[in-house]
Amino acid sequence: QKEVEQDPGPLSVPEGAIVSLNCTYSNSAFQYFMWYRQYSRKGPELLMYTYSSGNKEDGRFTAQVDKSSKYISLFIRDSQPSDSATYLCAIFGNQFYFGTGTSLTVIP
Amino acid sequence: GAVVSQHPSWVICKSGTSVKIECRSLDFQATTMFWYRQFPKQSLMLMATSNEGSKATYEQGVEKDKFLINHASLTLSTLTVTSAHPEDSSFYICSASGTAIYNEQFFGPGTRLTVL
Repeated sequence: QKEVEQDPGPLSVPEGAIVSLNCTYSNSAFQYFMWYRQYSRKGPELLMYTYSSGNKEDGRFTAQVDKSSKYISLFIRDSQPSDSATYLCAIFGNQFYFGTGTSLTVIP
Repeated sequence: GAVVSQHPSWVICKSGTSVKIECRSLDFQATTMFWYRQFPKQSLMLMATSNEGSKATYEQGVEKDKFLINHASLTLSTLTVTSAHPEDSSFYICSASGTAIYNEQFFGPGTRLTVL
């Protein structure tokens, strides 16, 4: 079993839609959870990080962690074409583990 | 957030030559740096992890003698692709992690290597 599993998509939504991106992880000891956004031919940029279970909101982005289910989510409200990118979840326990990334396209 | 730079951003070289890629943390001390490789439309593949002043730890299947990593200071790590071949053409991305509470990784913008 992989440490982190992420649906690769691709995901295509109309502008203004709510997007839900998800990852599952295997080790309940993992503590830090991150979401990165990567535009084509660019390095990933950190979007959000969370430490505990619950929600963390930043503008149109909400990161959610459910440690009991070992499930993390990133919600994007009012999605924009500029949100079109690949989104990677990352988890830090004793080392970093990255999901394979979900490709998102927001159609104007 | 912290800034990580990479140089060069794009390099084209002939087969058999060596290429050095620099990764710098500009506004923080990076105790650990990571080197990744990414093929088109694929996720990041960790190549190696390096801690300042010590030898890099390579992932399984990564040739140590081909991909030389040096992490001589808390702000600089280099990756040298020795005797590059066309199959080494890829997008190479470094990241750096400091002693921040959340143990975040900050990524550089990547270096696109094309070996002719």
